[in-house]
Amino acid sequence: NAGVTQTPKFQVLKTGQSMTLQCAQDMNHNSMYWYRQDPGMGLRLIYYSASEGTTDKGEVPNGYNVSRLNKREFSLRLESAAPSQTSVYFCASTQRTGPVWGQRSNQPQHFGDGTRLSIL
Amino acid sequence: ELKVEQNPLFLSMQEGKNYTIYCNYSTTSDRLYWYRQDPGKSLESLFVLLSNGAVKQEGRLMASLDTKARLSTLHITAAVHDLSATYFCAVDEGSNFGNEKLTFGTGTRLTIIP
Repeated sequence: NAGVTQTPKFQVLKTGQSMTLQCAQDMNHNSMYWYRQDPGMGLRLIYYSASEGTTDKGEVPNGYNVSRLNKREFSLRLESAAPSQTSVYFCASTQRTGPVWGQRSNQPQHFGDGTRLSIL
Repeated sequence: ELKVEQNPLFLSMQEGKNYTIYCNYSTTSDRLYWYRQDPGKSLESLFVLLSNGAVKQEGRLMASLDTKARLSTLHITAAVHDLSATYFCAVDEGSNFGNEKLTFGTGTRLTIIP
């Protein structure tokens, strides 16, 4: 079971460079998320996509853009990388609604293995 | 703004002992999740707590939710080395159906000493 797949797993950038982190899920989930995790801290939400065609800002969106390419894929772009963006980035997905319309889902978010990004 | 606080942040305990990790949150929510993270790894879902009074158990771990007190606990019974990890609670801040936007606590790093 692939679940949530993130690429690349590791990346080193220079300040000012741009890059796109890729995320794909094969669980037919409608909601996808990007988080960053810094040492000694919990996860902080960068952006999320509640469904295909929609994206919303999370707690720390500055310096990032996202694209929900289709139901499976949700990418995160750093247009001009800064050292403060050195972090571990996690993508997650979940089925946001239950089997009956209006019923809240009881599913947790499923996480990828992370991308370790260093910006020099 | 929803705040989620875990304590303790670090916990070192001997094998065979019992202990509890606490997760407090600042606003009304009836959904809370517990995750485990091993060093350098991803997050693994442990428990989904969906209502006041919910209790879930898996092996030596038991989680509970008190929405009135805005408190969840993760209880460890007779700890074994394999439980060494960082444990996160996460609170669903959405009030609408299906909104699964989570706010995470800072984590509790648990080390089990033989």
